Amino acid sequence: DTGVSQNPRHKITKRGQNVTFRCDPISEHNRLYWYRQTLGQGPEFLTYFQNEAQLEKSRLLSDRFSAERPKGSFSTLEIQRTEQGDSAMYLCASSPGPGSTDTQYFGPGTRLTVL
Amino acid sequence: ILNVEQSPQSLHVQEGDSTNFTCSFPSSNFYALHWYRWETAKSPEALFVMTLNGDEKKKGRISATLNTKEGYSYLYIKGSQPEDSATYLCASAGTGNQFYFGTGTSLTVIP
Repeated sequence: DTGVSQNPRHKITKRGQNVTFRCDPISEHNRLYWYRQTLGQGPEFLTYFQNEAQLEKSRLLSDRFSAERPKGSFSTLEIQRTEQGDSAMYLCASSPGPGSTDTQYFGPGTRLTVL
Repeated sequence: ILNVEQSPQSLHVQEGDSTNFTCSFPSSNFYALHWYRWETAKSPEALFVMTLNGDEKKKGRISATLNTKEGYSYLYIKGSQPEDSATYLCASAGTGNQFYFGTGTSLTVIP
């Protein structure tokens, strides 16, 4: 399977703990995106990378959130001092280029539950 | 941030019925509209990318139309089958190709 993969698929943590999610995009895809979906909402844009460069961050991405794509391949999203409001599905997507018509291919998501 | 809206929020139809849903988006600074199907526990699956006013795309029993002047797109499913049960999402592409999604239409096809 050469699609986008995300790990873990589910994460349950206690408030105040740090969590890290991993996304492995389709190989050779330059663009990588992170989205968050909360209950009853559509996915909301968080940030994106062009190769290893983080080009844009949504204001949804508070200073407790950090994302990296160190070698332009896989990416990690870390949440420090988790809060109950961070409970959501975190989706990763990759695309072959930056164009508005370039399809974003999504992973299955990581569901985070903060107790 | 682009305000993208979808209606209805959920829909239950009988097997064999045809159905359609709506996606509304800002018509100014439009770049592209994407439709996805998202089945439970799976990855969202890309259905269509649409850019031109009046564009119509078709994939099997599913088709979509686009009106960029008034800012809406329709998704049609002909002869719904239980395997069509999913959440259908539309997204308008922003300047950096970040997507702005609607809240989705949840379709349940009753056998």
